Amino acid sequence: DAGVIQSPRHEVTEMGQEVTLRCKPISGHNSLFWYRQTMMRGLELLIYFNNNVPIDDSGMPEDRFSAKMPNASFSTLKIQPSEPRDSAVYFCASRLGAFTNTGELFFGEGSRLTVL
Amino acid sequence: AQSVTQLDSQVPVFEEAPVELRCNYSSSVSVYLFWYVQYPNQGLQLLLKYLSGSTLVESINGFEAEFNKSQTSFHLRKPSVHISDTAEYFCAVSRTQGGSEKLVFGKGTKLTVNP
Repeated sequence: DAGVIQSPRHEVTEMGQEVTLRCKPISGHNSLFWYRQTMMRGLELLIYFNNNVPIDDSGMPEDRFSAKMPNASFSTLKIQPSEPRDSAVYFCASRLGAFTNTGELFFGEGSRLTVL
Repeated sequence: AQSVTQLDSQVPVFEEAPVELRCNYSSSVSVYLFWYVQYPNQGLQLLLKYLSGSTLVESINGFEAEFNKSQTSFHLRKPSVHISDTAEYFCAVSRTQGGSEKLVFGKGTKLTVNP
């Protein structure tokens, strides 16, 4: 398997622009997670899905952020409008099953976002 | 609610020296505990995990961690480090909510192994 695939790997955009980050989980995994990593705040969970249904979105910073999972093989994280403080590395991760003892969390290589 | 505290943000050591990366968690219920490693410009990878049973767990590359319930700790150790162990290490605890489970991560400890 190719692992969790994220795109784009790097994105530089200007404040106010819309940003869409994409994730393809490992085939057969039914839990998907979006994390944000910054120097100041470390690794923060933004939202996670189980069987394509959002379970907890309490980590989403504000209404500018939205995430969707239209099917088991694709998810998007959208920021509209983007702001400089959104600059971070965004990671997608997937897992087989809803509970940890069913399997480990597999991370993609991340999308590094820079908002000027 | 579960949370994780990694007491050291950076740990520099010399090659072949022992190292301990500290992790404390807070939880009022049984937990699953994890250590993940992140090499530069990569995503996180599972290093080892404690689910139940023996309180001492080991990884394939010589790291070990011991679950200490009374001290609510899950410190990571290696008796002799290599240059290739240079990475950031994250401790994590599981949290069950809404019929599913997520991981809450500490802020990470950057291990730098110097020659």
